[in-house]
Amino acid sequence: SQQGEEDPQALSIQEGENATMNCSYKTSINNLQWYRQNSGRGLVHLILIRSNEREKHSGRLRVTLDTSKKSSSLLITASRAADTASYFCATHASGGSYIPTFGRGTSLIVHP
Amino acid sequence: KAGVTQTPRYLIKTRGQQVTLSCSPISGHRSVSWYQQTPGQGLQFLFEYFSETQRNKGNFPGRFSGRQFSNSRSEMNVSTLELGDSALYLCASSLAGVSNEQFFGPGTRLTVL
Repeated sequence: SQQGEEDPQALSIQEGENATMNCSYKTSINNLQWYRQNSGRGLVHLILIRSNEREKHSGRLRVTLDTSKKSSSLLITASRAADTASYFCATHASGGSYIPTFGRGTSLIVHP
Repeated sequence: KAGVTQTPRYLIKTRGQQVTLSCSPISGHRSVSWYQQTPGQGLQFLFEYFSETQRNKGNFPGRFSGRQFSNSRSEMNVSTLELGDSALYLCASSLAGVSNEQFFGPGTRLTVL
């Protein structure tokens, strides 16, 4: 089963609105990463957050991590049509396994 | 710097055949990983190569194999193709490995008929 699960599966908003998507996971992690994928193409790395960090920012992106709840959220502020894509979280479990596990993704549509 | 390149971009094969996919990482990156992406199973890790050695392996049958050359370029081979192998195969490179930032190629879309 997938380690990370994104929620919601799909999100449709208007340009200028904020978009929030969540990722839940099952086991302890070393870090969690968020990626973006445009329509069947390669993934683009957005942010890496380590298990001892609670929040990170990058431009219009804000990622939080709550290890007690085993969850992370990605907030995109002032969304643009160009943000339309699928967003995935990838977790790296602690304890020696370096195999990354991806969730099924949140499909975000931003209407102009 | 040139990004990760994958060849071919599209491939159509029939059941029972074998296929080889190629990936050229970003210059200086020693880690190359392969992923399979399907609508049903999502993104799944196949394996990682670092300095010509397989370092991590996902839960895929032995029909899936790979190798890495001294220039860090990597190939992935799938033998005895099955219909379920139809997928987007993504390659990613990184400086230090899969637990760090990875740079993905555009993928190879494999269709098995």
